[in-house]
Amino acid sequence: DAMVIQNPRYQVTQFGKPVTLSCSQTLNHNVMYWYQQKSSQAPKLLFHYYDKDFNNEADTPDNFQSRRPNTSFCFLDIRSPGLGDAAMYLCATSRGVGSGDTQYFGPGTRLTVL
Amino acid sequence: GEDVEQSLFLSVREGDSSVINCTYTDSSSTYLYWYKQEPGAGLQLLTYIFSNMDMKQDQRLTVLLNKKDKHLSLRIADTQTGDSAIYFCAERANNAGNMLTFGGGTRLMVKP
Repeated sequence: DAMVIQNPRYQVTQFGKPVTLSCSQTLNHNVMYWYQQKSSQAPKLLFHYYDKDFNNEADTPDNFQSRRPNTSFCFLDIRSPGLGDAAMYLCATSRGVGSGDTQYFGPGTRLTVL
Repeated sequence: GEDVEQSLFLSVREGDSSVINCTYTDSSSTYLYWYKQEPGAGLQLLTYIFSNMDMKQDQRLTVLLNKKDKHLSLRIADTQTGDSAIYFCAERANNAGNMLTFGGGTRLMVKP
């Protein structure tokens, strides 16, 4: 089945220790998104890639970076995680960014920062 | 800016209908979505409605859109315990670069 896959599902890191979260998709979609979702809150868009074109949200901290080496994979790098970065990180994909292009979400990676 | 609001909590008995409400402010909305999130999981797309429609039915789900009042609702008929989850509405709006803006989510609890 075509899907959005996130690895790992649970990630524990130490304060200040860089961590990378992974997302892959078999939908062959052009757009990949990273969202941060803190407990009991709505998902918050961090950035998205349209093909190789990177689009950062204005309020995304510099501590968060992303890479998309090819169509299928996208990585979220947190350079120096703080306690406030503990959250669920959701990856999503869509065919395009047109108004009819639905976003499909992966299962998420829950990040714990010790 | 865009704002999407939902009530925090809804409790119903198994077999009853559930109605989850959502209001939004951006008049440039094109599509509105309902996603379901179970504990510890990602978001599952349930249904969506185009802004020029006022109703969409999909099995037990009915979406009603009042564009004049900027009000969206999701009705779940014959609610089951497996429907217990957080439900997020989201709008896609031209003014937001066609990105999704999510509401805060409504936690639905279904009692046996």
